[in-house]
Amino acid sequence: GNSVTQMEGPVTLSEEAFLTINCTYTATGYPSLFWYVQYPGEGLQLLLKATKADDKGSNKGFEATYRKETTSFHLEKGSVQVSDSAVYFCALNSGGSNYKLTFGKGTLLTVNP
Amino acid sequence: ETGVTQTPRHLVMGMTNKKSLKCEQHLGHNAMYWYKQSAKKPLELMFVYSLEERVENNSVPSRFSPECPNSSHLFLHLHTLQPEDSALYLCASSQHRAANEKLFFGSGTQLSVL
Repeated sequence: GNSVTQMEGPVTLSEEAFLTINCTYTATGYPSLFWYVQYPGEGLQLLLKATKADDKGSNKGFEATYRKETTSFHLEKGSVQVSDSAVYFCALNSGGSNYKLTFGKGTLLTVNP
Repeated sequence: ETGVTQTPRHLVMGMTNKKSLKCEQHLGHNAMYWYKQSAKKPLELMFVYSLEERVENNSVPSRFSPECPNSSHLFLHLHTLQPEDSALYLCASSQHRAANEKLFFGSGTQLSVL
């Protein structure tokens, strides 16, 4: 079955530090890959996505590249802000007629001023 | 604001109570979902509705009963819950039920079962 593994948190950084949150996956076929973000007290929001190998998703300074050879979709940001403090979820959907979004456990990021 | 509204935001209930969670979207979406979010566990998909028809039920206990009276509203009826059912229950919607679709989530109902 499909599965997503992302790095255990919490991750604590200082403002303007470089961020990497690792995500690897196991899936049948050619999945679409997503990063969702959950700010305190809110539901999840789509941050970025990639639908095929070598695609790069980007939004709000965050980037992730779909690496089929390493089955990875690591999230990066060059300079984090306090407002980026949230829980980040990696997810995949292997498509076909059986739509099901499979999530990782989430990684809590705290950015200190 | 994602366009998906859930009520109540918080709910405390005893194991013998009956309560309902409500979700509403006015985005014109055709698919709606219930997810369960527990600490240190991946989000669990509970139910999927597409065009008001339940298309997926992921082995959820019968003490959870979904209802989708129209394309804008989704309910989760709760009865005789267990303490391990305490979690954040998230509703989501998407334009269609498809692999590349973006999901829009509500803020969730934080449920505590005593």
